[in-house]
Amino acid sequence: GENVEQHPSTLSVQEGDSAVIKCTYSDSASNYFPWYKQELGKRPQLIIDIRSNVGEKKDQRIAVTLNKTAKHFSLHITETQPEDSAVYFCAASKASGGSYIPTFGRGTSLIVHP
Amino acid sequence: EAQVTQNPRYLITVTGKKLTVTCSQNMNHEYMSWYRQDPGLGLRQIYYSMNVEVTDKGDVPEGYKVSRKEKRNFPLILESPSPNQTSLYFCASSPQGLTDTQYFGPGTRLTVL
Repeated sequence: GENVEQHPSTLSVQEGDSAVIKCTYSDSASNYFPWYKQELGKRPQLIIDIRSNVGEKKDQRIAVTLNKTAKHFSLHITETQPEDSAVYFCAASKASGGSYIPTFGRGTSLIVHP
Repeated sequence: EAQVTQNPRYLITVTGKKLTVTCSQNMNHEYMSWYRQDPGLGLRQIYYSMNVEVTDKGDVPEGYKVSRKEKRNFPLILESPSPNQTSLYFCASSPQGLTDTQYFGPGTRLTVL
């Protein structure tokens, strides 16, 4: 089955710095790559996603890049703010019977110091 | 309001006492799934369902059962809970097809003594 590795497990930055979280996946059939943010005590929520026919996607301070050849994708957060502090999960999904079966990374705890 | 609900939110029980965690969504989503979240292990899928009466195992199905008799409901059943099932459980739903955003429920924190 699919295996998703996520690094680093913890990332500490100063407010205003950039943060990068990287994920690698093993199944070349995976074609949908979402990122979820989970604040302390809350549910995971989608922040950005990318499909395999796209190399990069940006939404304000957040961007995701995908390298299908190398089977890795990354989350980039620019101008970090304290409210960006949370656990971030990547996932890799492939279509099966009309729906997607996701495999999640283990999460990165991002701490943004004011 | 479009949402996924779970009940109960918190549960403390004892080994062997059957329990059910309910999950309901009002978005007419085809796909529903259950995850457990443990420190350092991320989200691991227990079971998923692509439609009514269609369910399949995820990565960690041992000790769990599910059913999908109606589109909106997807209960998680622990027939004989054990302490290693102490965890935070999330139900999620998503539309079928290319739009794959998963909408998570608020979570159920289960402790098995």
